[in-house]
Amino acid sequence: EAQVTQNPRYLITVTGKKLTVTCSQNMNHEYMSWYRQDPGLGLRQIYYSMNVEVTDKGDVPEGYKVSRKEKRNFPLILESPSPNQTSLYFCASRFGTVTDTQYFGPGTRLTVL
Amino acid sequence: KQEVTQIPAALSVPEGENLVLNCSFTDSAIYNLQWFRQDPGKGLTSLLLIQSSQREQTSGRLNASLDKSSGRSTLYIAASQPGDSATYLCAVDNYGQNFVFGPGTRLSVLP
Repeated sequence: EAQVTQNPRYLITVTGKKLTVTCSQNMNHEYMSWYRQDPGLGLRQIYYSMNVEVTDKGDVPEGYKVSRKEKRNFPLILESPSPNQTSLYFCASRFGTVTDTQYFGPGTRLTVL
Repeated sequence: KQEVTQIPAALSVPEGENLVLNCSFTDSAIYNLQWFRQDPGKGLTSLLLIQSSQREQTSGRLNASLDKSSGRSTLYIAASQPGDSATYLCAVDNYGQNFVFGPGTRLSVLP
């Protein structure tokens, strides 16, 4: 089944403890992206990647890191999480062309205490 | 900087009604516009994608239009059903790289 998977789905952590949220897609998509969704602010793009080893900042990249070493994986790294990073996170992917739809993962709900 | 707005923020209609959701964007230099559906606690499901050169797209009871020059898109839902209840989001694709989402319209279709 074609899908985007994220792990973990739920995570509660404490300020400053490094964490990684994994994202994997099995559709051979070139483009991958991370978003966060907050009440009243909607979905905002954190980082995106046009292909392997190519990443770029979205609208809210501060406090996050990403890497794209393989085509299928695009992990989101929070080196020193803070409470303002408590949010619902979504990973998405699509083929490289602008005519293609984005496919979203199920989301990761992160709480930073 | 691209900004996307959606009107109304929430909408409640009786089953069977036709309805229109609106999306506006400030920068007309977009590659495409996409409408999504989000159910509570779930991810996003793509409904329709309209390329910048197109005026509309249809899928079943859904029809989306795009007027790039005026920075507007509408999603028309015909003969609404309770199962259509969800939040509807529009997103514009800036130059094929950066996506900007609207805040969404929460739709409730009452039986």
